[in-house]
Amino acid sequence: GEDVEQSLFLSVREGDSSVINCTYTDSSSTYLYWYKQEPGAGLQLLTYIFSNMDMKQDQRLTVLLNKKDKHLSLRIADTQTGDSAIYFCAESLNDYKLSFGAGTTVTVRA
Amino acid sequence: DARVTQTPRHKVTEMGQEVTMRCQPILGHNTVFWYRQTMMQGLELLAYFRNRAPLDDSGMPKDRFSAEMPDATLATLKIQPSEPRDSAVYFCASFKANTGELFFGEGSRLTVL
Repeated sequence: GEDVEQSLFLSVREGDSSVINCTYTDSSSTYLYWYKQEPGAGLQLLTYIFSNMDMKQDQRLTVLLNKKDKHLSLRIADTQTGDSAIYFCAESLNDYKLSFGAGTTVTVRA
Repeated sequence: DARVTQTPRHKVTEMGQEVTMRCQPILGHNTVFWYRQTMMQGLELLAYFRNRAPLDDSGMPKDRFSAEMPDATLATLKIQPSEPRDSAVYFCASFKANTGELFFGEGSRLTVL
């Protein structure tokens, strides 16, 4: 199957860390992605990880990959109001086609 | 910054009209995708090209949708005739092999009345 699953909602207090989780099904995925979508906007590539890595850090973002469990997570440190958005997890299938999750709506409260 | 450019950003049309959406991929990216986003279905792959050759268009209704890439700087998605159920945001994305970088355009929001 090509199902990517992620929780639909996350509420976090400003300044705290956010953790968004995702599970995928294709063990042969080459890349796994996190995209951010703000209302009325396109999909912004936040970060991606190659399947032979288990962690990638980029400023406030940390991606963890557990290939054995097919689990991907995105941690946002020091969450800000500008981080409020929908976050999509995606796995690359053959030919780099992406299979997306339904998106996690992150709400940052003051 | 290099970016994927899509036009039009918004389109409102009446049922039965032809709609053409255009995409300029990032220079040097050899794979171009068309996705559609709706509330009910989420993000769906419609078609994609590599080196301008169509590889898979099984995700789109063949009787009314067509996708082409007349040159390396332009990909088009055409709907003829359009129907209300085609109302969605259509995204173009381009990818550079062996880098993992897959960037999306801002999308074309289509409303068919």
